[in-house]
Amino acid sequence: QKEVEQDPGPLSVPEGAIVSLNCTYSNSAFQYFMWYRQYSRKGPELLMYTYSSGNKEDGRFTAQVDKSSKYISLFIRDSQPSDSATYLCAMSASTNAGKSTFGDGTTLTVKP
Amino acid sequence: DAGVTQSPTHLIKTRGQQVTLRCSPKSGHDTVSWYQQALGQGPQFIFQYYEEEERQRGNFPDRFSGHQFPNYSSELNVNALLLGDSALYLCASSFKGGRMAEAFFGQGTRLTVV
Repeated sequence: QKEVEQDPGPLSVPEGAIVSLNCTYSNSAFQYFMWYRQYSRKGPELLMYTYSSGNKEDGRFTAQVDKSSKYISLFIRDSQPSDSATYLCAMSASTNAGKSTFGDGTTLTVKP
Repeated sequence: DAGVTQSPTHLIKTRGQQVTLRCSPKSGHDTVSWYQQALGQGPQFIFQYYEEEERQRGNFPDRFSGHQFPNYSSELNVNALLLGDSALYLCASSFKGGRMAEAFFGQGTRLTVV
């Protein structure tokens, strides 16, 4: 079983919808939780990260971490066609984010 | 700021050959990590270099090796290529002394083994 499991999708929503992307994990040592966006044939782009449990908001994006349930989420409000991409969750036991464990990604399509 | 740059962008090799991929980290970063991303999967950690030494290694065979130079740039070498080595190879750079868990990725090198 993988350390990080991500809802596989794919996900297709109309423009303006609220999107929820989710990951679960099994390693209690994970302290840092990241969300990356990856466009086709490109490298992952860091969207945001959180430390330990709690919420973090950045514009239309909100990241939530529930360490007691080993569950993290990324919410996208007012989704736009430009949000269409694969979203990867990643986790690290330390600030050494260069050594992270990734989920397999959820592909999101936002239709105009 | 040029960000993380990787070369080449695409590569086709024959089974059994050897390949070298290159990475220049983001300005101010001193740590380079390499990942393999197979189609439809998330990136898998290969290894990490800091101060010109391999510091961490994932579950990859010894056919995968690397190097870091004094200017922090790095190379990934893969020997005796297998068809299963076909993937997007990603380089991520970060700053060892940072308090934030930030790593920045290059655009990747797409390796096809035929």
